[in-house]
Amino acid sequence: TQLLEQSPQFLSIQEGENLTVYCNSSSVFSSLQWYRQEPGEGPVLLVTVVTGGEVKKLKRLTFQFGDARKDSSLHITAAQPGDTGLYLCAGAPTTSGTYKYIFGTGTRLKVLA
Amino acid sequence: DAGITQSPRHKVTETGTPVTLRCHQTENHRYMYWYRQDPGHGLRLIHYSYGVKDTDKGEVSDGYSVSRSKTEDFLLTLESATSSQTSVYFCATKTGTQNEKLFFGSGTQLSVL
Repeated sequence: TQLLEQSPQFLSIQEGENLTVYCNSSSVFSSLQWYRQEPGEGPVLLVTVVTGGEVKKLKRLTFQFGDARKDSSLHITAAQPGDTGLYLCAGAPTTSGTYKYIFGTGTRLKVLA
Repeated sequence: DAGITQSPRHKVTETGTPVTLRCHQTENHRYMYWYRQDPGHGLRLIHYSYGVKDTDKGEVSDGYSVSRSKTEDFLLTLESATSSQTSVYFCATKTGTQNEKLFFGSGTQLSVL
């Protein structure tokens, strides 16, 4: 059983639309990270959220960490074709030790021009 | 980025044969991880290491063993490969700082026929 569930699993949208990706767990995390992965490559870190309720913005991307530190969301405003990729949340559940990093199930985003 | 080299990059093997994948890092990172990536599952943690000769199981450790005799090398062994172990395998490393990112290798595509 994967501890980090992401939704939706797949998303295909038109350029200019907004979207939100969710990352949910029943476990508490000291921090959560979001990565983006391109085909044939390893994931690349986008952001780390640490404090419950924290909101971080990275250009058109907004990341939020839930108050209880069990969930996170990624919102993309005015999506562009360059945003296409696999988005993954990741973290170490507090019950599993600080460095046992697990990943979410992934959201594959395709932005059409 | 951290120098992480995975070998081999591609391998085709037969069911029942032993297979060893190697991850080599040049950054002296303390933590090393093996993940497998399959469609619909994101990345799933197989084993990880928190120091030389210190390893622990991940979410999907059955059928896999690991060894870390030196800081720079982390080996993943499939004792008797099965078709269900056909996957892309990623190695990752991490410094001892909690919220630092994971550094990834380029992946190994393993096909078990």
